[in-house]
Amino acid sequence: EDKVVQSPLSLVVHEGDTVTLNCSYEVTNFRSLLWYKQEKKAPTFLFMLTSSGIEKKSGRLSSILDKKELFSILNITATQTGDSAIYLCAVGHYGGSQGNLIFGKGTKLSVKP
Amino acid sequence: GAVVSQHPSWVICKSGTSVKIECRSLDFQATTMFWYRQFPKQSLMLMATSNEGSKATYEQGVEKDKFLINHASLTLSTLTVTSAHPEDSSFYICSAPGTGGMQYFGPGTRLTVT
Repeated sequence: EDKVVQSPLSLVVHEGDTVTLNCSYEVTNFRSLLWYKQEKKAPTFLFMLTSSGIEKKSGRLSSILDKKELFSILNITATQTGDSAIYLCAVGHYGGSQGNLIFGKGTKLSVKP
Repeated sequence: GAVVSQHPSWVICKSGTSVKIECRSLDFQATTMFWYRQFPKQSLMLMATSNEGSKATYEQGVEKDKFLINHASLTLSTLTVTSAHPEDSSFYICSAPGTGGMQYFGPGTRLTVT
């Protein structure tokens, strides 16, 4: 059965800390791995990863995919209180419904001032 | 980027009534749309895949007669929760696929059934 596992499920840090969020997967016909940030409403897109070893960066956030070991990490440096959210990892796969994503349970990040 | 809208963003209804939620792709066409449900402190769970011009595909455990999906055009899919009960209270989110495996989410609809 396809699955996406995120760890930790919950994390509390202080402003300025660096955090690493993990996402491992077992998905047939892997297509892409996506990271989303979810605050009060629908998820907002962060990154889409399709190739191993190529880091994607956006400001203080970065992510990388390892297709051999079947995992991805999301790094956030110099965290701010506005980074507090649930971070969702999702994997898209070929076959079945086009674009269907399998979500992990999310990591709840709390950044204290 | 592509935009997906949902309406309403928030709805309260009485137990036993039906509620319709609309999902629109505003600047692109979507032959497929997805409906997710999210309970508090849980992740998104796929309910069904909406296909333009054909029947929706439901995930295991989702009652197709309770959650009616109509994908009447290339820009509109609707989810109707029939005979809603308090346990149907949840956050419903739709999405539409873009290129390369991207997916664009609507802002979500908060349903509260009293």
